[in-house]
Amino acid sequence: AQKITQTQPGMFVQEKEAVTLDCTYDTSDQSYGLFWYKQPSSGEMIFLIYQGSYDEQNATEGRYSLNFQKARKSANLVISASQLGDSAMYFCAMRDVYNQGGKLIFGQGTELSVKP
Amino acid sequence: DAGVIQSPRHEVTEMGQEVTLRCKPISGHNSLFWYRQTMMRGLELLIYFNNNVPIDDSGMPEDRFSAKMPNASFSTLKIQPSEPRDSAVYFCASSTDEGSYEQYFGPGTRLTVT
Repeated sequence: AQKITQTQPGMFVQEKEAVTLDCTYDTSDQSYGLFWYKQPSSGEMIFLIYQGSYDEQNATEGRYSLNFQKARKSANLVISASQLGDSAMYFCAMRDVYNQGGKLIFGQGTELSVKP
Repeated sequence: DAGVIQSPRHEVTEMGQEVTLRCKPISGHNSLFWYRQTMMRGLELLIYFNNNVPIDDSGMPEDRFSAKMPNASFSTLKIQPSEPRDSAVYFCASSTDEGSYEQYFGPGTRLTVT
């Protein structure tokens, strides 16, 4: 069965520094997608970044980048130049390609706190 | 463009009452998902539809839960009768069948059953 593991329940980072949020996954599928979502205290789920299993380059979206290491089955999120507004819960998720419609399986999340 | 719309945003009801949550997906999206978020279980998929057809309802907790999608722009999740353990935030999300399939979430409905 597919599984997403986020081992860091909480993280602290100093404003303007970079931070890495860990995510490992387990799947027997060859084709899959990996996602990161941000959930601020207001509660909404915000899509941040996507990495396909066949993508050769790491995905980047502004200050967000995904450190994809396929052999290690890891998909860590790197946030550069942290801002106070980055304080939130961050969820890693995986899509099962073979299920029509793309069901997402989520990790338990990492709570990031950015210190001024 | 409008995002996913959910109503109500908050619902407080008494045990045994019927609860109906509503969702309007993003126009042009043909997959719709209902998730439930609790502290104990995190985010879990309840059911999803593709082209208005239920594809996977294995996450629906029990017969008290039902979901419908009568057309491409509307879906409901109903709980009857409600119980205190149903208290959670219920999210609706939608996506296309193209590209990376990223799902866009609505603001959620916070349900409290007393």
